[in-house]
Amino acid sequence: DAKTTQPTSMDCAEGRAANLPCNHSTISGNEYVYWYRQIHSQGPQYIIHGLKNNETNEMASLIITEDRKSSTLILPHATLRDTAVYYCIVRGNTGTASKLTFGTGTRLQVTL
Amino acid sequence: DTAVSQTPKYLVTQMGNDKSIKCEQNLGHDTMYWYKQDSKKFLKIMFSYNNKELIINETVPNRFSPKSPDKAHLNLHINSLELGDSAVYFCASSHPVGMETQYFGPGTRLLVL
Repeated sequence: DAKTTQPTSMDCAEGRAANLPCNHSTISGNEYVYWYRQIHSQGPQYIIHGLKNNETNEMASLIITEDRKSSTLILPHATLRDTAVYYCIVRGNTGTASKLTFGTGTRLQVTL
Repeated sequence: DTAVSQTPKYLVTQMGNDKSIKCEQNLGHDTMYWYKQDSKKFLKIMFSYNNKELIINETVPNRFSPKSPDKAHLNLHINSLELGDSAVYFCASSHPVGMETQYFGPGTRLLVL
């Protein structure tokens, strides 16, 4: 699976959009971009994933550049409960199961 | 209802002991995983089972032995516990297609003294 690079930490004011970048310049054509987050002391939680088109769900939006070498996770109206470590993961299909390779992630701190 | 549950939530034990952590999922998934998160917060996969069959084993010491009595359960037995085994262990499950979302349990915090 391709390696990802994320900023170590970011701050965001409550109510504002949080834009979390991720670089994955070695991504291959069949690899997806996944985002998970881990709120303190909890298990990781799936947020969103995409291949090449932009995606949106009730939690977030995922913007993938045309060359697929980077992406941005957008939390449109961040709340204090969005404070967490956000992991960008590039993942290929390896058959019956595919492991998630977690990096160091971005620690997002949402403040009042 | 809890989708992926783990017991116990906390486990404190002495070096050299043998302990088990249990995981159950009620999502109807065929694939289950064990991940380890160390003190530096790195989260790494250890094992994966699909329909009770081991399919991923990430160079984990032989002291760790996963057991899957049925596809809804994946237990982790650890022999001769060492100080370095102290970590948070997360169980997860997914459908087996390969690109499916993984759902994680709340974690078991193991402290070896």
